[in-house]
Amino acid sequence: DTGVSQDPRHKITKRGQNVTFRCDPISEHNRLYWYRQTLGQGPEFLTYFQNEAQLEKSRLLSDRFSAERPKGSFSTLEIQRTEQGDSAMYLCASRDSDGKNIQYFGAGTRLSVL
Amino acid sequence: DAKTTQPPSMDCAEGRAANLPCNHSTISGNEYVYWYRQIHSQGPQYIIHGLKNNETNEMASLIITEDRKSSTLILPHATLRDTAVYYCIVDKYNQGGKLIFGQGTELSVKP
Repeated sequence: DTGVSQDPRHKITKRGQNVTFRCDPISEHNRLYWYRQTLGQGPEFLTYFQNEAQLEKSRLLSDRFSAERPKGSFSTLEIQRTEQGDSAMYLCASRDSDGKNIQYFGAGTRLSVL
Repeated sequence: DAKTTQPPSMDCAEGRAANLPCNHSTISGNEYVYWYRQIHSQGPQYIIHGLKNNETNEMASLIITEDRKSSTLILPHATLRDTAVYYCIVDKYNQGGKLIFGQGTELSVKP
């Protein structure tokens, strides 16, 4: 069990550029979550997958955001035409399908949009 | 919106017990209380959860009042490494499972 890994750890981009983040969950976990966290705030839910199906998306997930989990393993989160307001920590978490909501989080990707 | 209320910050002396309160007065019968913590620059980490009985594991103890409207997370012998933001979350068993985080309590453990 190597835990949840996220790549890259840090990303600096210019406004208007596209960025893509990757999350590798714990291998036997079928549920995968994306959250966004800004300074001084708790993480906010963005979207989640059960296997390859995207089952819920937050209103925070504008049309510029898209997430995929094509084979039910790793996931990507893409932000198109980045804005300064997208600067945040993007966290990925995974869990198995038993009833307990114990999510295991990665260390996050910190995005800075200049 | 988060369904819990926590004090924004607390201090604790190293080696002493840290008692972190959480109010969840609108909790429903099938909702569990979960505690996570987030050490600076890391992702949140699960600590413990419970329904109505007190729970203990290697990290902490969770005391839930009889009416379930509040709970207390206890770190029995706080160390400097326990300095973190602690989040109390209520969630139904066996649901889709997005976690709704509030502002949490920033615990500072001081030497």
